[in-house]
Order: sequence, then structure tokens, then C-alpha cells
Amino acid sequence: QVQLVESGGGVVQPGKSLRLSCAASGFTFSSYGLHWVRQAPGKGLEWVALIWYDGSNKYYADSAKGRFTISRDDSKNMLYLQMNSLRAEDTAIYYCVRGDGSGWPEYFQHWGQGTLVTVSS
Amino acid sequence: QSLLTQPPSASGAPGQRVTISCSGSNSNIGNNFVYWYQQFPGAAPNLLIFRNDQRPSGVPDRFSASKSGTSASLAISGLRSEDEADYYCAAWADSLSGWVFGGGTKLTVL
Repeated sequence: QVQLVESGGGVVQPGKSLRLSCAASGFTFSSYGLHWVRQAPGKGLEWVALIWYDGSNKYYADSAKGRFTISRDDSKNMLYLQMNSLRAEDTAIYYCVRGDGSGWPEYFQHWGQGTLVTVSS
Repeated sequence: QSLLTQPPSASGAPGQRVTISCSGSNSNIGNNFVYWYQQFPGAAPNLLIFRNDQRPSGVPDRFSASKSGTSASLAISGLRSEDEADYYCAAWADSLSGWVFGGGTKLTVL
């Protein structure tokens, strides 16, 4: 079955960088778009970024533009989120989410369990 | 402020029917499909409804949804205690070239 396992979260100081990873299994990785979605403590869901199945297009929320970079390595079935210039408001659980693979835009079909990022001095 | 507006809370007694609304605009709900997600405390969200009114396999038919113009709604009939959760709507926003979520609705089963 589809499995998405995030890692790389932790406590980081404001202004620093962090890279999140998502290990995928149970499906043909290169056939699906992938998202990062985050949820601040006690708050709602916020979409962060999307990468197409072939990596040719990437989309970002305004809050992530210029600071975050989404990427994928199909040879390793891995999704990444490079986060730079982190701010306190980036504190959240970050979910790796697989798209549906059948159309545009690919919706959030399967979710990982998330990794917690805390930005604090 | 979310581009999709949901009531922060909803409630109903066991066996009752409850609806949760999601209001947007022409650039999101009005021109794209609506999706609904269920999230239990401490867990990841789970797909409940896709493409306005389609249920994934495994989702009980007590859950239904519809869309009209720039609004959508989720209905839960035969309410059960295990339906207590947060519910989120989502849609693609053409004006942002990105996804937007509603602020979420906390459902309480009385």
C-alpha cells in the first residue's frame, strides 16, 4: 500500500535552514505529483508546494516563494523540501502528500504522518 | 484569512444529519473541483470526498457532498460519535496557481 514517511524535522533557529525528506513506497513514484502541506499547532491546513510527476513544474504558496524549494529524486523515490530563512511562523507539522496521478491539478490523495518543524531561538 | 470560508464549528446528536458549508469564489470553487478531508486529533488528514461529490472506496455513504456555483457543502447523515473530527474543504485557486483550504470545521457529536 502507499506509504509516505517524512523525516528531517526538528528545532531550528530563525534564519537557519532545514531540509525535509519524504520516502515513498507502494506505488510508481514517477507517475505522481507530490505536495507538501503544513499545519501550525492548533491551526488549519496550508498547502506549501507542488511538484509535477516529472519534476518539470513546481508551484509554491506565497508564504514559501523565494525561501522554500521542492524537489524529487525518482531514482530514490524521495521528495524533498529545502527550507531557508526560516521564521517562527513556519513552525508546523509538514505533511508529504501524493497526488492522484490522473489529472490537473492533482489533489491530495494520500498523506504521510508528518514531521514537526519548530523554529525557535 | 482563508480564501475558502467554513464555519469554525458544527454539532449534532447521534443519528442526526449535519451539513458543513464551504464558500469560495469564481477563481477557486466556481471553476474547479472541491475536495473534503477528515482529520482526527493527532492524525494526518484523510481524503473524504474528491471531485465535488465522489467518495473514495471505504468511505461510508453517510458522507455526501455537493457543489453549486462558488459554494460547496458536506453532509453527514446518521451521525455517529466516531465522526467527531475536523473537516476541511480544498480547491485549486486559478488566481494563485495554488491550492487553498478552508479554515476547518470542528464537528462535535453531542
